[in-house]
Amino acid sequence: QAVVTQEPSLTVSPGGTVTLTCGSSTGPVTSGHWPYWFQQKPGQAPRTLIYDTTNKHSWTPARFSGSLLGGRAALTLSGAQPEDEADYYCLLSYSGGRHVFGPGTNVTVL
Amino acid sequence: EVQLVESGGGLVQPGGSLRLSCASSGLTLRSYWMSWVRQVPGKGLEWVANIKQDGSEKYYVDSVKGRFIISRDNAKNSLYLQMNSLRAEDTALYYCASGYIGVPQGLHCWGHGTLVTVSS
Repeated sequence: QAVVTQEPSLTVSPGGTVTLTCGSSTGPVTSGHWPYWFQQKPGQAPRTLIYDTTNKHSWTPARFSGSLLGGRAALTLSGAQPEDEADYYCLLSYSGGRHVFGPGTNVTVL
Repeated sequence: EVQLVESGGGLVQPGGSLRLSCASSGLTLRSYWMSWVRQVPGKGLEWVANIKQDGSEKYYVDSVKGRFIISRDNAKNSLYLQMNSLRAEDTALYYCASGYIGVPQGLHCWGHGTLVTVSS
């Protein structure tokens, strides 16, 4: 089974920019992996921020954006706010209908 | 407002069975792929299974194949997860997730989860 990788933790200054990435053990991440990004705060259910690499929901703050970067999926947070402190998970889709989450990145705004 | 509500969790002995349900208000589930995702408290998310709108396609993570069955009843606007031969490592908070308006596939709307504890 494929293994999805993420940075364990990242710190960003208030108002700063940080990029989280998501890699696959099977090779470069492409749009064909339909990358998703989720935000989860303590005690809450996950919330979908980005789907299909770059698409946002109406509830996704404009400061979040998705892309592909150097063979990995990327989530960029521009203008970090204190409320952005959370765990962020990526999800990749593979053949056979399988989906694999990354281990998550804990983002601290400090 | 879209709401997904899971139920059916609880304490069960190893080897036992449990059936989880997910009901929706504000969203007609027959239009969307549905999924189950679990999370061991304090740990990461794990995709468990998903099912196509008409139930014709179902996929599972390897660790639950042959033990869990995902199903749906579109007339009741509900999703189910029948969990058999439960193991301690199945202990987790189980979320249901659905597609959303304009994006029928994927994990877009989430419930708040139901806790399953497998222990003697």
